[in-house]
Parts: sequence; C-alpha cells; structure tokens
Amino acid sequence: TQLLEQSPQFLSIQEGENLTVYCNSSSVFSSLQWYRQEPGEGPVLLVTVVTGGEVKKLKRLTFQFGDARKDSSLHITAAQPGDTGLYLCAGTDSNYQLIWGAGTKLIIKP
Amino acid sequence: EAGVTQSPTHLIKTRGQQATLRCSPISGHTSVYWYQQALGLGLQFLLWYDEGEERNRGNFPPRFSGRQFPNYSSELNVNALELEDSALYLCASSRQLNQPQHFGDGTRLSIL
Repeated sequence: TQLLEQSPQFLSIQEGENLTVYCNSSSVFSSLQWYRQEPGEGPVLLVTVVTGGEVKKLKRLTFQFGDARKDSSLHITAAQPGDTGLYLCAGTDSNYQLIWGAGTKLIIKP
Repeated sequence: EAGVTQSPTHLIKTRGQQATLRCSPISGHTSVYWYQQALGLGLQFLLWYDEGEERNRGNFPPRFSGRQFPNYSSELNVNALELEDSALYLCASSRQLNQPQHFGDGTRLSIL
C-alpha cells in the first residue's frame, strides 16, 4: 500500500516565523500536488511539481520535489495569519491515482 | 469559469436513513472524484467516475455508491446511515486522468 506521510501533523507558530512541512513516501510519484484547505471550504490547489529536484515559488511559499520523486517539502517564509489552514500533499502514482497525505494543520498566531 | 458545485451544503439525517449528495464538475471536466473528510482530518478516497463509469473505489462498504450522468455530474448515495458517516463529503473534478483535481466546498453530512 502506498503511503504519503506528512509532518508535522500540527504546527502553531508566531507571525513572521519560517516553517517547513514535509511529505515523504517510499514510493515514486509522477507528480505531486500541494493543496491548502480553510475551514468550511474545499482544498485549493497551490502547486504541482513534476520533475525530480524541481523548485517552485509562490510568493512566500517554496515547494520542492525530491530528486527521486519520493518526497516534497513546503517552506513558508515570514508566515502570516492568512497562511493558517490545513496543508495537504497528494502524489500521483503509476496508475494515475492520487495518494493523499493526512495533512498538516497550520496555525499562525498574530 | 464556474467551479465545482456541490449540493446541499448541509444535510442532517438520522441513523438508518439514506442520503443523496450531488456534484457538478467544472465544464469540460470528465472525471469526478468523491472523498470523505472527518472533522479536521485528511481526505479518504471514496469513488472515481470517468465518462459515466466507476473507475475505482476506496475502502468503503457497498452502502456507499454513486453514479455519473451523461452531463458528467455525479451523485453519491449513502444507504443505512450510521453515526460515523458524519463528515464533510468533497467532490473534485479533473479534465483528464492525470490532471490536477479541483474541489467543491463539500456537503456537511450530520447523522443524529
């Protein structure tokens, strides 16, 4: 069974701090996506990474796909209260199925 | 472009009843996915429909079923409701098999 493990499960930090969320697996994925979900809403796609070693930046968010395409990280610089939410990673396996991580609940305190 | 729409927003049922949840995908998207999300937790894959056919289902009992209509909209049916079925049910659609999924805001199902 393919698994995507996200860590940490929960993170509460002060506004202005930096943080990194990890998504790890023993399986290779053809692509990996990061979503953010706010209370009462569905997940919103932030980014898709496809190439091993790929780095994508979205304002203060930096996404990296591991060289072996088994892991990914999301780094947030100078976190703001608006970054609060549930961050989910999902990898596309060889059957084009999405394998989901359990999510990281992030709270940014003003 | 309208996003994925789900109805109803909230649904309250009692144990043993049946619930029907509806989803309209983004125009041009042929694949529809259903997920169950318990409060504050990650997504559990339920069902995937593409071109009117069920392509895959997650580890859920047969009382969870659904269908996809010719216009690509979809229904999720849950029979013999149990208390633990209380959750947010999310629908997502994608243009093709390996394209990113776009989500609706879900139906909150509460079982009393």
